[in-house]
Amino acid sequence: QKEVEQDPGPLSVPEGAIVSLNCTYSNSAFQYFMWYRQYSRKGPELLMYTYSSGNKEDGRFTAQVDKSSKYISLFIRDSQPSDSATYLCAMSATRAQKLVFGQGTRLTINP
Amino acid sequence: GAVVSQHPSRVICKSGTSVKIECRSLDFQATTMFWYRQFPKKSLMLMATSNEGSKATYEQGVEKDKFLINHASLTLSTLTVTSAHPEDSSFYICSARDRPPSGTDTQYFGPGTRLTVL
Repeated sequence: QKEVEQDPGPLSVPEGAIVSLNCTYSNSAFQYFMWYRQYSRKGPELLMYTYSSGNKEDGRFTAQVDKSSKYISLFIRDSQPSDSATYLCAMSATRAQKLVFGQGTRLTINP
Repeated sequence: GAVVSQHPSRVICKSGTSVKIECRSLDFQATTMFWYRQFPKKSLMLMATSNEGSKATYEQGVEKDKFLINHASLTLSTLTVTSAHPEDSSFYICSARDRPPSGTDTQYFGPGTRLTVL
């Protein structure tokens, strides 16, 4: 079993839809959770960074962490074609430790 | 925000040659940098952790003599793929961690280097 599981998709939704991306994990020591966006042939770009459980909102993006269920989510509201990319979740137990990545979900927003 | 650059962005080389990839943190100091490898439609695979002024820590299964890492300054780490072979063709990405008190201890990624070995 992988430490971090993420559905690779692909996921295709119409413009304006609410998108829900998810990851599950098995290591209860993870406390730092990140979402990265990666466009084709580019490096990952940090979108959201959360610590422990709870919600964090930044514009059209909301990150949720449920440590009791070992489940994290990224919601994208009013999705745009420019949101089409691969979204990677990543997590670590401490800030100093290396990140463990999910497989990434390929998302396409159709105009 | 923090910016990390990589050079070159793309390189094509002949089998048996060595290739050096540079990773620079442009507006912050990074005591720790990371080197990843990514295959098409796959996630990032950590190869090694590079610490300024000390030897790199390699992940299991990564040959340290083949993938030479040097982190000589707080803003520069290099990855040298020695005696490259076609199976080394991949997308190599570095990241740098900006440490407190000036930073948030977050990893920022470079744009990646696409290596093709003929």
